[in-house]
Amino acid sequence: GAGVSQSPSNKVTEKGKDVELRCDPISGHTALYWYRQRLGQGLEFLIYFQGNSAPDKSGLPSDRFSAERTGESVSTLTIQRTQQEDSAVYLCASSLEGHLAMRSEAFFGQGTRLTVV
Amino acid sequence: KQEVTQIPAALSVPEGENLVLNCSFTDSAIYNLQWFRQDPGKGLTSLLLIQSSQREQTSGRLNASLDKSSGRSTLYIAASQPGDSATYLCAVVANQAGTALIFGKGTTLSVSS
Repeated sequence: GAGVSQSPSNKVTEKGKDVELRCDPISGHTALYWYRQRLGQGLEFLIYFQGNSAPDKSGLPSDRFSAERTGESVSTLTIQRTQQEDSAVYLCASSLEGHLAMRSEAFFGQGTRLTVV
Repeated sequence: KQEVTQIPAALSVPEGENLVLNCSFTDSAIYNLQWFRQDPGKGLTSLLLIQSSQREQTSGRLNASLDKSSGRSTLYIAASQPGDSATYLCAVVANQAGTALIFGKGTTLSVSS
């Protein structure tokens, strides 16, 4: 597609339920990032995928968070046993090249607004 | 640990004014720096990307400068318009130890007509 696409755009879930967020990067982009933005806060890095390399999971806040990406295509971010503190906008971004040759802009999706009630 | 700070947190100006947004980062070993704008309820839009070897980039009424040695970048907006009202985010790509963009908390700009 023309840009990074995320779905759903909004998700309301009950505390304790699992949620899955989807990101479709720009075709051909090898790098994919997930960020979280809580209300009134800056963007927090969660996880980074670069091609077939092992992902950088250093930003994941707990073992309830996990993400997958198959090759250079779609990624899913899964949050298990959601807590109210997980409420945030989850943003996905992709870029043409990975960090070792970081000459490319990162393009962001519109985000998924997650509300845990 | 790389930290990015943006000052001011909020700024209100009348239409037509030129303005400067500031960004500072603690570790000068960066690959590049990128400025974004974020509109309420929307994702981020990339404005300018400055490589570590560059001093500035220009796009229309926007000019971003980078002084890597002092850990600073500025975003200059000329002849501001109400449509410029948004939150402006600065982000750096850290050195080999890091992988992703590290963001500041942004400057929320309001331009009144």
